[in-house]
Amino acid sequence: AQSVTQLDSHVSVSEGTPVLLRCNYSSSYSPSLFWYVQHPNKGLQLLLKYTSAATLVKGINGFEAEFKKSETSFHLTKPSAHMSDAAEYFCVVTHTGTASKLTFGTGTRLQVTL
Amino acid sequence: NAGVMQNPRHLVRRRGQEARLRCSPMKGHSHVYWYRQLPEEGLKFMVYLQKENIIDESGMPKERFSAEFPKEGPSILRIQQVVRGDSAAYFCASSLRQGAYEQYFGPGTRLTVT
Repeated sequence: AQSVTQLDSHVSVSEGTPVLLRCNYSSSYSPSLFWYVQHPNKGLQLLLKYTSAATLVKGINGFEAEFKKSETSFHLTKPSAHMSDAAEYFCVVTHTGTASKLTFGTGTRLQVTL
Repeated sequence: NAGVMQNPRHLVRRRGQEARLRCSPMKGHSHVYWYRQLPEEGLKFMVYLQKENIIDESGMPKERFSAEFPKEGPSILRIQQVVRGDSAAYFCASSLRQGAYEQYFGPGTRLTVT
C-alpha cells in the first residue's frame, strides 16, 4: 500500500518570502515521488520528480524538493515566492509495482500575498 | 507536440443521461490513465489502459462506469445513468511507458449533473 499525507491544507506567504509545502509518504517499496501544481480551473503540471537518483531534486519555476528516506518526507521548497505561484499543489507517490497508478495527497493551497 | 487533449471541457447532463468523455494522449504515448477529482479533494485513480486493453480498473466504480482505448481513436470514459454524485472533474493522463515515468495531464472535463 502507498499513501501521501500533505500536512497543511492551506499555506499563506508574502511575496518574496520562502515557501515550504510539507509531504510525508508511506510506501512498501522504493517510491517514486512527484509534485504537481494545479492553477484554478486548469489541468495539472509536473513540477518535479524523484525516482531514486539524486535526493535533492530541482524542478521548474525555482522549486525544489528533498527526498529524506529516514523521515519519509518529500517537502517542496522555493526560496522566494511569486504571486504567480498561488495555486494548489499535490504531492504524489507511485512505484513500479502499482502499474504506474499515481496516489495523490489531498493538496495544499498556496496563497501569496503582497 | 500537442499535449493531452480532452473534450468536452465542460459537460452538463441531467440525472439518468449518459456522459461520454474523450481523451487523446500525447503523440507516441500508448498508456492512458483516468482520474476523478471531487470538489476540495485530490485526484483519485480510476483506470489504466493501453491500446485495446484495460490494465488496472481497481478505482472504477463497479456499476455505470466503463472505459476503453481502441486501436484507433481516443480513449473514452463512459458514465451511464449519471447521478448528482458523479459531478466532478475528470482528468486523463498519458505516459510514454509503464513504470515510474511522469504522466502528462490533460485540462480535464468538468461534469455537472443537474
